[in-house]
Amino acid sequence: EVQLVESGGALVQPGGSLRLSCATSGFSPDWMDWVRQAPGKGLEWLANINVDGSEKYYVDSVRGRFTISRDNAKNSLYLQMDSLGAEDTAVYYCSKRLDFWGQGTLVTVSS
Amino acid sequence: DIQLTQSPSSLSASVGDSVTITCRANQVISDSLSWFQQRPGKAPKSLMYGASKLHSGVPSKFKGSGSGTVFTLTISNLQPEDFATYFCLQYYRYPRTFGQGTKVEIK
Repeated sequence: EVQLVESGGALVQPGGSLRLSCATSGFSPDWMDWVRQAPGKGLEWLANINVDGSEKYYVDSVRGRFTISRDNAKNSLYLQMDSLGAEDTAVYYCSKRLDFWGQGTLVTVSS
Repeated sequence: DIQLTQSPSSLSASVGDSVTITCRANQVISDSLSWFQQRPGKAPKSLMYGASKLHSGVPSKFKGSGSGTVFTLTISNLQPEDFATYFCLQYYRYPRTFGQGTKVEIK
């Protein structure tokens, strides 16, 4: 059974940093994505990464501030988020190829 | 970036009805389109990919069609569990982009 479990969401001050993790099980390494959803809003694709981590793609709104990475030995996906602003407040989802999704983790950026 | 526009933004329907949601891309995306269902407070669930191919376990009451720039999702025989928000997504080009969503409510 495919499982994805995000963690690391928290309340963080503007300008701060946070690292999200996604623990995976039930499948072989595959392309992985991060998607977020601001409260009451739609879905925004953020980034994805290929199997060995050599290819990464980002949406412009996070490029240079967010970094996607993975550790296949630990079956984990990560999202390092720096220079956070109020506009980054959202539920963050990890996903396997946008086919299977975790339950999400809430990031709130506020002073 | 490729823009996807869904219509309508919301609709009301009764149990047993059929509804159709349209997703329009501002450029050709071949059949590189997926549909998702999101129930309140839950993660999105993938319904189909390739515009019309159902994911495993998704009932055949969900039907997708289209290619190029215009795509549709039709849901037949609406049941209480089908009342949710539906999103389209293009994966033809980076960045991936979603439609704004269509909320299907009970009349």
